[in-house]
Amino acid sequence: QSALTQPRSVSGSPGQSVTISCTGTSSDVGAYNYVSWFQQHPGKAPKLIIYDVTKRPSGVPDRFSGSKSGNTASLTISGLQDDDEADYYCCSYAGSYTGVFGTGTKVSIL
Amino acid sequence: VQLVESGGNLVKPGGSLRLSCAASGFTFSDYYMTWIRQAPGKGLERVSYISSGGTYTYYPDSVKGRFTISRDNVENSLYLQMNSLRAEDTAVYYCARVHATSYSFDYWGQGTLVTVST
Repeated sequence: QSALTQPRSVSGSPGQSVTISCTGTSSDVGAYNYVSWFQQHPGKAPKLIIYDVTKRPSGVPDRFSGSKSGNTASLTISGLQDDDEADYYCCSYAGSYTGVFGTGTKVSIL
Repeated sequence: VQLVESGGNLVKPGGSLRLSCAASGFTFSDYYMTWIRQAPGKGLERVSYISSGGTYTYYPDSVKGRFTISRDNVENSLYLQMNSLRAEDTAVYYCARVHATSYSFDYWGQGTLVTVST
C-alpha cells in the first residue's frame, strides 16, 4: 500500500482557518469511513484528534473538524492558535485489518 | 489510560531486541493493541498488531518473519520481539491502543528509541 498523499506544509495566521487534504484511493479512503487524524508536536507522541472521518475524541476542541469526499479526506483547523503548530497525519483503513498513514503535513503559524 | 514503553537501545545489524509496553488505566484484555514506528524525521508506519486475546496478529511485509508481537493479559503488557534488525528499523517505536469501535489508535505511549548501527 502506498502512503496517503498530504501537502508537505500549510500555514496560517492566528485566528484563521487551514485545511489539510489527505488523498488516497478507492481501496482505502474512498472505500471506508475509517479516516483518522493525528496531531504530533515535536518530540511527542501522536495524539488522536479525529476518527471515523468526522468524530472528535473527548477533550478535542471543536475547532478541529474532518470531512471526506470521494478518495480525499480533509482536516480543517479553525481559529488557529499557536499550539496548533505541529505535524498532522491522516490514516485510513484499507481492508483486512490493514491501514495506511499519510505522508504528514507541517502546520506553521505565521 | 497509560502506556509506557521500554527496551529501546543501540543494537548492531543482525541483532535482536525485545520491546515492552506496560498498560494501565483500562481493561487491557478488551482491546486490540498495535506497535507503530517513526524513523527519524519520517512518517508513521504500523509494524504489527494483535487481537485482544492474542490469537490474531498482523505484520506488514517490511517486518514479516523478523518481528513477533505478543501480549500477556495477566501482566497487562504488550511485547515486540525484533530479530535480524536492519539499519532501516531505526526508529522510535510506539505502542498504541486500537480504538474499541473504529480503525484508529486512541492512546499512545511516549515511545522508545531503537537504533540499529555498527
